[in-house]
Amino acid sequence: NAGVTQTPKFRILKIGQSMTLQCTQDMNHNYMYWYRQDPGMGLKLIYYSVGAGITDKGEVPNGYNVSRSTTEDFPLRLELAAPSQTSVYFCASSYPDRDPGELFFGEGSRLTVL
Amino acid sequence: QKEVEQNSGPLSVPEGAIASLNCTYSDRGSQSFFWYRQYSGKSPELIMFIYSNGDKEDGRFTAQLNKASQYVSLLIRDSQPSDSATYLCAVNRSGGSYIPTFGRGTSLIVHP
Repeated sequence: NAGVTQTPKFRILKIGQSMTLQCTQDMNHNYMYWYRQDPGMGLKLIYYSVGAGITDKGEVPNGYNVSRSTTEDFPLRLELAAPSQTSVYFCASSYPDRDPGELFFGEGSRLTVL
Repeated sequence: QKEVEQNSGPLSVPEGAIASLNCTYSDRGSQSFFWYRQYSGKSPELIMFIYSNGDKEDGRFTAQLNKASQYVSLLIRDSQPSDSATYLCAVNRSGGSYIPTFGRGTSLIVHP
């Protein structure tokens, strides 16, 4: 049981490049989330999904896109990377019917845009 | 924009003391409240949750909730150097949502 797995762990992008952060979970959780965390700050919600085929915007969705074609996978797409997207990105999942509110986090992906 | 406010600290306490971490929230309809611990360079992990007014104890940790004052706190008794971390308060949105809003976290340093 691997939990929530994120790849890559580290990435450096040039301004204007695009990339996808991968997230997969093997716990059959229906809820999945993407957060970003800037130094000294809390977690800001980018997008979330309550099940396959359903996604919604969080607090800071601009510059990002997501899809949820399966229960397990929730990739985050960055289009036209900007220095403001330099951050640590966390994917998380939860199963509220069983464990209300507990989010299980991946190890994070540290992205630098130069 | 629903807010969750925490003092960023750092809060420095001696080993063996009680550490008190505080959090206020603006969404009066919120029903679920959580404390996560995050070690430097690691991902957050849940340590406590509380749904009802009053205190909830789990080992050395006590969560306190006052919905009227929109205030939730975390007490750590007999603080240890291994408790040194950032503590994030999280509040689920009102309406039975399972979408948490996080505060910026309070850095706790427990010195020997």
